[in-house]
Amino acid sequence: EIVMTQSPATLSVSPGDRATLSCRASQSVGSSLAWYQQRPGQAPRLLIYGASTRATTIPARFSGSGSGTEFTLTISSLQSEDFAVYSCQQYYHSSTFGQGTKLEIK
Amino acid sequence: EVQLVESGGGLVQPGGSLRLSCGASGFSFRDYWMNWVRQAPGKGLEWVASIQQDESQEFYVDSVKGRFTTSRDNAKNSLYLQMNSLRVEDTAVYYCARGYYLIRGLAFDIWGQGTMVTVSS
Repeated sequence: EIVMTQSPATLSVSPGDRATLSCRASQSVGSSLAWYQQRPGQAPRLLIYGASTRATTIPARFSGSGSGTEFTLTISSLQSEDFAVYSCQQYYHSSTFGQGTKLEIK
Repeated sequence: EVQLVESGGGLVQPGGSLRLSCGASGFSFRDYWMNWVRQAPGKGLEWVASIQQDESQEFYVDSVKGRFTTSRDNAKNSLYLQMNSLRVEDTAVYYCARGYYLIRGLAFDIWGQGTMVTVSS
């Protein structure tokens, strides 16, 4: 099983600032990596797939990068609605998720 | 509007059974892989099962193999998850999710609101 590890567990950032979230795979997953946003009490929402392609309707302030085992989700100029939990998912071999990073208001 | 709506969750004793349903609307259900993803209280997401458009292939996470079975009825735009021999560790919100087929594997682009399954004596 490919294990996905996200860091940090919690990230405190001020509105308007940039947030950088990390996801590491226990073995190479190529570019088969997706990011999801989950607000409290809501279902997850697909943000990024293919490591760097934004899903439909996702604002340009969300960007993904990386390949192999190291991936990054960057949110530039944080808006109030961006404070949520973010999870990465590899779909290179079966499917596994990271444990999530909680992005909170500083 | 593209929508998935789960139902069938509830409280069940260890060793019991439950059948979840997911109704789809707003898209051509028969054209998509469909999936179940769960989230235990306070925990991360866990993929559970996937089923191909024509039911020719099904995949399961190891922890539910032999206990859970997913199926679909394309005429009714519905997805199902039959859960047998339930364990306390199966307690979670169960989400139905549409599969977005990529070069290698599936991302999940549409999600239902989830249905809670609690396994407890």
